[in-house]
Amino acid sequence: ETGVTQSPTHLIKTRGQQVTLRCSSQSGHNTVSWYQQALGQGPQFIFQYYREEENGRGNFPPRFSGLQFPNYSSELNVNALELDDSALYLCASSHRDRKYEQYFGPGTRLTVT
Amino acid sequence: DQQVKQNSPSLSVQEGRISILNCDYTNSMFDYFLWYKKYPAEGPTFLISISSIKDKNEDGRFTVFLNKSAKHLSLHIVPSQPGDSAVYFCAATSQGTASKLTFGTGTRLQVTL
Repeated sequence: ETGVTQSPTHLIKTRGQQVTLRCSSQSGHNTVSWYQQALGQGPQFIFQYYREEENGRGNFPPRFSGLQFPNYSSELNVNALELDDSALYLCASSHRDRKYEQYFGPGTRLTVT
Repeated sequence: DQQVKQNSPSLSVQEGRISILNCDYTNSMFDYFLWYKKYPAEGPTFLISISSIKDKNEDGRFTVFLNKSAKHLSLHIVPSQPGDSAVYFCAATSQGTASKLTFGTGTRLQVTL
């Protein structure tokens, strides 16, 4: 059984640029959620996708957007990067029937300079 | 507004002893609670969960207790092992939502020999 994978591992971007982060769900999981974890904080919910549609969103501005593909992989896009976007971005997958037990990938460390 | 609070940033316990990690929540709508463990450079790993219809759930060395009237839950690890050294996150959700998890800030557990 393949776990959740994310790419890239690390990324450095300049303020104002755009970034795309990628996630492959665990085998058999049809729901994907994205979280932002700032230093010293717990993960904060960005949004969730199920059947390729957004299925819930946290308190993040519209410049954070996402996609889910038919194979349940997912992308997180962030436009107009700000310094405060520097964080660890975590992807989590789950099965619709056990949606609260989310399985996380190792994360992408984004640094905005 | 921190809806899930872990007031102890760190805890040190001797190998073989009991580790008790605490978590408080303020949102009365939360009805499902989870504990995650996180090692450096890895994503959080699901440990154990509990529904608000129960007050205790056990899985091997891990037991979670829920006190709804106090809005408090705790994770007991018995006996503690050096491999348990990690950051532990408490998370909560409302089962009517899109499985958005609200996390605490984490407690770093160090199990010493």
